Amino acid sequence: GAVVSQHPSRVICKSGTSVKIECRSLDFQATTMFWYRQFPKKSLMLMATSNEGSKATYEQGVEKDKFLINHASLTLSTLTVTSAHPEDSSFYICSASSGTGNTIYFGEGSWLTVV
Amino acid sequence: KNEVEQSPQNLTAQEGEFITINCSYSVGISALHWLQQHPGGGIVSLFMLSSGKKKHGRLIATINIQEKHSSLHITASHPRDSAVYICAVTPAFTGNQFYFGTGTSLTVIP
Repeated sequence: GAVVSQHPSRVICKSGTSVKIECRSLDFQATTMFWYRQFPKKSLMLMATSNEGSKATYEQGVEKDKFLINHASLTLSTLTVTSAHPEDSSFYICSASSGTGNTIYFGEGSWLTVV
Repeated sequence: KNEVEQSPQNLTAQEGEFITINCSYSVGISALHWLQQHPGGGIVSLFMLSSGKKKHGRLIATINIQEKHSSLHITASHPRDSAVYICAVTPAFTGNQFYFGTGTSLTVIP
């Protein structure tokens, strides 16, 4: 079946540095991918919708200059956390839909720790 | 107010018990999804429903569109079923957007 791969699964970075997380759809083309953030014991929070070949659509309260999203191809979207701070430490997960868009495939998620 | 509400938030069961997790939503939908999230974070899609009932192994999912309600049942529960179960809906006419419930944390004790 369709698989969405996310990398890295865990990353530790220093405050002030930038971290890039990749989300790839392995056997289908995803014109739209989604990036979520999840705090401990909380629901997934949609950060932005990543559209291939165009600018991402950010949810209210999400800083687009801090969370840079690039969707340069039909199989790859990247989330870059710029000038990371400890409060950016969280679980980030992407998802993509194939076909009619009603089937969700999730990446494995990325644990970001900013020290 | 959440568009998707789940109950219970936490559930502990003995191995072998029949488990039910409930999901209610307040918007018109084109599909409802049940997701499983294991410790460590990975999320797996268990079911996608737009009507009726689906069964996969020991898992059964039902949906009542008129009542805007869905249930996930686990028969003969096992410790490996311990996970967070998340209900998500695809609202009608909004493309690929999803609304998520806050999840039900299930622990099955041997």
